[in-house]
Amino acid sequence: DVKVTQSSRYLVKRTGEKVFLECVQDMDHENMFWYRQDPGLGLRLIYFSYDVKMKEKGDIPEGYSVSREKKERFSLILESASTNQTSMYLCASRLSGEQYFGPGTRLTVT
Amino acid sequence: QKEVEQDPGPLSVPEGAIVSLNCTYSNSAFQYFMWYRQYSRKGPELLMYTYSSGNKEDGRFTAQVDKSSKYISLFIRDSQPSDSATYLCAMSQDSNYQLIWGAGTKLIIKP
Repeated sequence: DVKVTQSSRYLVKRTGEKVFLECVQDMDHENMFWYRQDPGLGLRLIYFSYDVKMKEKGDIPEGYSVSREKKERFSLILESASTNQTSMYLCASRLSGEQYFGPGTRLTVT
Repeated sequence: QKEVEQDPGPLSVPEGAIVSLNCTYSNSAFQYFMWYRQYSRKGPELLMYTYSSGNKEDGRFTAQVDKSSKYISLFIRDSQPSDSATYLCAMSQDSNYQLIWGAGTKLIIKP
């Protein structure tokens, strides 16, 4: 079974803090994704990566950056957290069309 | 107008009913169509994956694609309380392209 794990299920941070969200997949997938999910808006793509050290902006990259130093690990960084970044963050990896998701991190920025 | 439209619900039906969930889309280039199920406080999981038009059946679930109408459906027969979840449709032009997502429909099956 494919397993995608995320470092935290729940996170509370203060405005202005730097936040790191980690994602690890164990199936040697080349493609990895970061989404945020908000009520009524569905999943919105923040960044994705086709391979190690490669990254592409998604639909809403502002305020975020990513890092992919190893194939199995894809990190999302909030450089200076703001209250409008309070959301559910979902990581996924992809094999041939199908995306496999982690359990999500619910981030609250106060 | 969004590329993919999906009624957010909630849709509440009694146990045993047939459920119909739907999405419409505007991009005629979409060829890959998926349905994901998401339980509360969990990540989405793939339920059905179809290519181009037609039907696909898996147990109590049937996915239907009508490309001429730009409309996809997911039918659930003999619905169970354990089917209560949010159902998201997603689609793409190519298996290596980004997925375009619907907003998700919250489904509640009442015992």
